[in-house]
Amino acid sequence: KAGVTQTPRYLIKTRGQQVTLSCSPISGHRSVSWYQQTPGQGLQFLFEYFSETQRNKGNFPGRFSGRQFSNSRSEMNVSTLELGDSALYLCASSSLDRATDTQYFGPGTRLTVL
Amino acid sequence: QKEVEQDPGPLSVPEGAIVSLNCTYSNSAFQYFMWYRQYSRKGPELLMYTYSSGNKEDGRFTAQVDKSSKYISLFIRDSQPSDSATYLCAMPFEETSGSRLTFGEGTQLTVNP
Repeated sequence: KAGVTQTPRYLIKTRGQQVTLSCSPISGHRSVSWYQQTPGQGLQFLFEYFSETQRNKGNFPGRFSGRQFSNSRSEMNVSTLELGDSALYLCASSSLDRATDTQYFGPGTRLTVL
Repeated sequence: QKEVEQDPGPLSVPEGAIVSLNCTYSNSAFQYFMWYRQYSRKGPELLMYTYSSGNKEDGRFTAQVDKSSKYISLFIRDSQPSDSATYLCAMPFEETSGSRLTFGEGTQLTVNP
């Protein structure tokens, strides 16, 4: 079974721009979660989607948004980029919508904001 | 205050050493405890998962939970260079608004041959 894939793997943007990151979960998985990873803060939860519905959202500003499509693929969008948005953005999928289910992570998208 | 505290290291040990990695947490509602391993340029992968207080063994790895002290540990016996990675503790939590995983900052481990 193919793992979680994320595109693009690397991205360089400038302040003020917007960016869209894509995540394809493992086939059959209906839950997709997004995390931001930075050296000082570690992994921080952004949001969780299950069957196209956002079930939970972390403590991030409204510039961070996401969506899930009927095929479970998910995108996250960051508008008006700031330098502090530079991070590794990780997507994880699981088969069900319980926090105790094993989450399978993709390799991440490395975003650099200049 | 962060809900989960983990010493980021870095930790450097010789091959064959016993490694101890630790996390403390403040939220009494956390009932499940996970350890993830993240290699460079890769996403985290689940290493161990435990619920109850006490020890759980899996090969060279032992996860220990002390709920009364809100303290969890991961021990690696006979450490190998291939164990060099960042180790993250994680605690799943169900809220009325949905579910989430809360991670520690991660400890970067290097095992030197």
